Amino acid sequence: AQKVTQAQTEISVVEKEDVTLDCVYETRDTTYYLFWYKQPPSGELVFLIRRNSFDEQNEISGRYSWNFQKSTSSFNFTITASQVVDSAVYFCALSDVGQGAQKLVFGQGTRLTINP
Amino acid sequence: EAGVTQFPSHSVIEKGQTVTLRCDPISGHDNLYWYRRVMGKEIKFLLHFVKESKQDESGMPNNRFLAERTGGTYSTLKVQPAELEDSGVYFCASSQRHEQYFGPGTRLTVT
Repeated sequence: AQKVTQAQTEISVVEKEDVTLDCVYETRDTTYYLFWYKQPPSGELVFLIRRNSFDEQNEISGRYSWNFQKSTSSFNFTITASQVVDSAVYFCALSDVGQGAQKLVFGQGTRLTINP
Repeated sequence: EAGVTQFPSHSVIEKGQTVTLRCDPISGHDNLYWYRRVMGKEIKFLLHFVKESKQDESGMPNNRFLAERTGGTYSTLKVQPAELEDSGVYFCASSQRHEQYFGPGTRLTVT
């Protein structure tokens, strides 16, 4: 069975600090997708990134970066120079690679608070 | 382009009553998903439509839950009769390929 663990329930940092959100996953599949979503106070889940299991290159998008390590089954998310607007709940998720789209298995979420 | 919309945003009902949640996916998205987050727990999959057909309903908790997708467009999720443990936030998502785009959710409270 697939499982995603986000061990950090809550993180609180001061603005401009760097912060890393951890994500560890379990799957028996050799190919799979990993995702990060952001849930701001407004409630909707905002798609941030999708990563294929066969592509271990790290990705950077502005202040956001993702570190995928298959050897440790981890897909960590780092926010550099955090801002108050980054405050949200962040979810890591996993899905099969099948024909078409597949259901997501989510972690418990990490509530990130950026204090001014 | 309009995103995924859900109605209502909040619903408070008494145990034993019926509630119907609606989801309008992004236009052109064949895949539609329902998920649920019970207080403090992870978001869990309920079911997946491809157009009007149920592709996977393995996450539906019991037969009090009925989902439909009329003509492959909007979807409804009916809970009848509602129980206290059904309280939570119900999310709908749609996709064309692998990225799922979520609506704001419907917060259901059963008292």
